[in-house]
Amino acid sequence: GQNIDQPTEMTATEGAIVQINCTYQTSGFNGLFWYQQHAGEAPTFLSYNVLDGLEEKGRFSSFLSRSKGYSYLLLKELQMKDSASYLCAVTDSNYQLIWGAGTKLIIKP
Amino acid sequence: IAGITQAPTSQILAAGRRMTLRCTQDMRHNAMYWYRQDLGLGLRLIHYSNTAGTTGKGEVPDGYSVSRANTDDFPLTLASAVPSQTSVYFCASSDSPNTGELFFGEGSRLTVL
Repeated sequence: GQNIDQPTEMTATEGAIVQINCTYQTSGFNGLFWYQQHAGEAPTFLSYNVLDGLEEKGRFSSFLSRSKGYSYLLLKELQMKDSASYLCAVTDSNYQLIWGAGTKLIIKP
Repeated sequence: IAGITQAPTSQILAAGRRMTLRCTQDMRHNAMYWYRQDLGLGLRLIHYSNTAGTTGKGEVPDGYSVSRANTDDFPLTLASAVPSQTSVYFCASSDSPNTGELFFGEGSRLTVL
């Protein structure tokens, strides 16, 4: 079966750095997405990785290793507004998007 | 403002009733999707449409139907609602099917009693 695993919840301190991991087992691979979802709101796109390596976008970076079936989202200089759920999703060989259950990130002052 | 609009934002209905959730986008995206989101589970695809005039079944299609008469509109119908369909429903669109960024509506919270 196809599976996306991410931690259910993480806690970090304002101003610090946090890494949210995502591992996947899918039938084929055509890209990995990270989305941010604030409580009660819609998911919004953060990043897309299709090749191995690190993609940096401001305070957020996303890393992919296709051989390990692994990605992480790195958030630097954490702000209170970064408190949200972070969703990992993988496009499989049929271009179907498989979603993880999301990681709830709690930021403390 | 360009985007994707869902209605209603929230609804409570009795089991057995028929309900249609509306979704409209003005980005001229080809692909549209309906997802449900339940606590502790990832987004689950109900139905999708890769282009106007075509639809397909997702992971959890039973009890739901969709239509795609034109590019902009993609309504989701529950023919006879059951309590297990209590959920938050998100409509989304993308320029190309499953290879591009998804744009989500604000969601419709549905409670079936």
